[in-house]
Amino acid sequence: SQQGEEDPQALSIQEGENATMNCSYKTSINNLQWYRQNSGRGLVHLILIRSNEREKHSGRLRVTLDTSKKSSSLLITASRAADTASYFCATVISGGYNKLIFGAGTRLAVHP
Amino acid sequence: EAEVAQSPRYKITEKSQAVAFWCDPISGHATLYWYRQILGQGPELLVQFQDESVVDDSQLPKDRFSAERLKGVDSTLKIQPAELGDSAMYLCASSPLGQLVGYTFGSGTRLTVV
Repeated sequence: SQQGEEDPQALSIQEGENATMNCSYKTSINNLQWYRQNSGRGLVHLILIRSNEREKHSGRLRVTLDTSKKSSSLLITASRAADTASYFCATVISGGYNKLIFGAGTRLAVHP
Repeated sequence: EAEVAQSPRYKITEKSQAVAFWCDPISGHATLYWYRQILGQGPELLVQFQDESVVDDSQLPKDRFSAERLKGVDSTLKIQPAELGDSAMYLCASSPLGQLVGYTFGSGTRLTVV
């Protein structure tokens, strides 16, 4: 079962534009993480935001978290062709054994 | 930089045959995960180990899938017999215990059942 829902499912933009991906989840979380996956490869961890944080930055990435709405967003600024990949949000639910549950992902295409 | 090693990278097998995947996590990572990812979908957790113990296998189809991590280091995931619907990417990940960090994933094994 998947906890998160990403929106949009696919996004196509030009180089230099910003890309925004949204994620909603269902249950209380300990933290939320974003991962990138290039075609046919493993996942790469991008950023982790704790449930008591509202915003976090890493380079060209900005993540927000709204626990009252059970939602998060990932913003990639000044996108590059190399950012073309699938992006997944994943949640670690409160309690338990640190189980990471993924959403279905957003496929981002950045055109030169 | 330390990596999670997985092998084989690709595997083609006939249905009803047995198949096995191997994973070597980052040294010192107590927690190891096996995920299955069907094309176009997000990864689904199959089994989670803490050291050599299974702590979550609620989504593992236990009639045909098995997983072990005998010495709490590397791990093997087995499917017997394989079915056409098992075609997917099988991903292994690891994380250190007690630290709030992201997981490190291997490159995965792409399984095709024919």
